[in-house]
Amino acid sequence: KQEVTQIPAALSVPEGENLVLNCSFTDSAIYNLQWFRQDPGKGLTSLLLIQSSQREQTSGRLNASLDKSSGRSTLYIAASQPGDSATYLCAVPDGGYSTLTFGKGTMLLVSP
Amino acid sequence: NAGVMQNPRHLVRRRGQEARLRCSPMKGHSHVYWYRQLPEEGLKFMVYLQKENIIDESGMPKERFSAEFPKEGPSILRIQQVVRGDSAAYFCASSPPTGPYPDTQYFGPGTRLTVL
Repeated sequence: KQEVTQIPAALSVPEGENLVLNCSFTDSAIYNLQWFRQDPGKGLTSLLLIQSSQREQTSGRLNASLDKSSGRSTLYIAASQPGDSATYLCAVPDGGYSTLTFGKGTMLLVSP
Repeated sequence: NAGVMQNPRHLVRRRGQEARLRCSPMKGHSHVYWYRQLPEEGLKFMVYLQKENIIDESGMPKERFSAEFPKEGPSILRIQQVVRGDSAAYFCASSPPTGPYPDTQYFGPGTRLTVL
């Protein structure tokens, strides 16, 4: 059974810092990995999807890497801003279908 | 192209009542997924449906919970005889028909169920 762990559970940084969020998964036989953002009381916004054949994906100040063999992914946020404050979730497909297994998330607070 | 729509956004029920949560997938999407987010816990998969078919319901509680995705209309998640432990945010996601690999899932804003 796939298990996804995210470290740290919470992170507080001053504006402008570069930061790294970590995600690990137990079953490396995955098709892809997604990073989501969740604002308080809101739904999920897909940030990046990395296919298993890729090693990284970039979108603006976000860069996500994937190392299937070690069961790890990182989300790098450059020059953090207060608007980046949210919970970041990583998720991988579980089993033969598209159902996703989520980590518990990293709650990020960026202070002005 | 409107995103995934869920209604109601907030639902309050008393213990023993029924809760019905609706989800309209994005246009062109034929796959619907329901997830539940309990307080202080991560999102957990509940059920995966295609039109008129339940593909995977391994995450659904065995009793009181049911889901459908009819040929016409939204997907419905039904919770009968609700208990306080059912209080949670329920999220629906949809994806287009997939090729060899699972596709991106697009999430709705969720329905927050409170059981008094």
